Amino acid sequence: DIVMTQTPLSLSVTPGQPASISCKSSQSLLHSDGKTHLYWYLQKPGQSPHLLIYEVSNRFSGVPDRFSGSGSGTDFTLKISRVEAEDVGVYYCMQSIQLPRAFGQGTKLEIK
Amino acid sequence: QVQLVESGGGVVQPGRSLRLSCAASGFTFSSYTMHWFRQAPGKGLEWVALLSYDVSFKYYADSVKGRFTISRDNSRNTLYLQMNSLRPEDTAVYYCARQHESGWYEEYWGQGTLVTVSS
Repeated sequence: DIVMTQTPLSLSVTPGQPASISCKSSQSLLHSDGKTHLYWYLQKPGQSPHLLIYEVSNRFSGVPDRFSGSGSGTDFTLKISRVEAEDVGVYYCMQSIQLPRAFGQGTKLEIK
Repeated sequence: QVQLVESGGGVVQPGRSLRLSCAASGFTFSSYTMHWFRQAPGKGLEWVALLSYDVSFKYYADSVKGRFTISRDNSRNTLYLQMNSLRPEDTAVYYCARQHESGWYEEYWGQGTLVTVSS
């Protein structure tokens, strides 16, 4: 099974400052279909997860452009250019190149 | 709009059974692969099972294989998770989610239903 490792596990950021989360997979997430199956979800307090980024770098519908994803192979990054209060919650990366789906441990973002 | 509403959670003793339901609306349910995920209290997300739109393919996490069964009734727009031989470690919020029609990710999630396994 693929193992996903996120760092850091917690982040405290001043509003308006940037934030960055790393996600590493134990195997390459590049599929023969040319897509890299790495996704980012945000789970706000008391809510179910919602999709932020699909296939490494594509923002899902309605996601603000302050969120961006990058990376390739086994190393990926989610960046928030200017953190806002509404960005608090736990961020998860997920791989779907192989079953079972696997998530990182989650990164808890709080506002200073 | 797309809605997924889970139900059937509750408190159950170890070794007993429970069936969760996920009522879908706002889309053609019979055209989409569906998943169950779960989240133990204070813990991260865990994938549980998937069932293809035409029930030709299903897959389970090792932690539930042989105990849980995923099924669907496309005439009722409903996804199910039959959970047998429940263990305390199955205690979690269970979410159903819809897979994107052409992608390998879940774009819509329900609000979840809590299952507590305790004597």
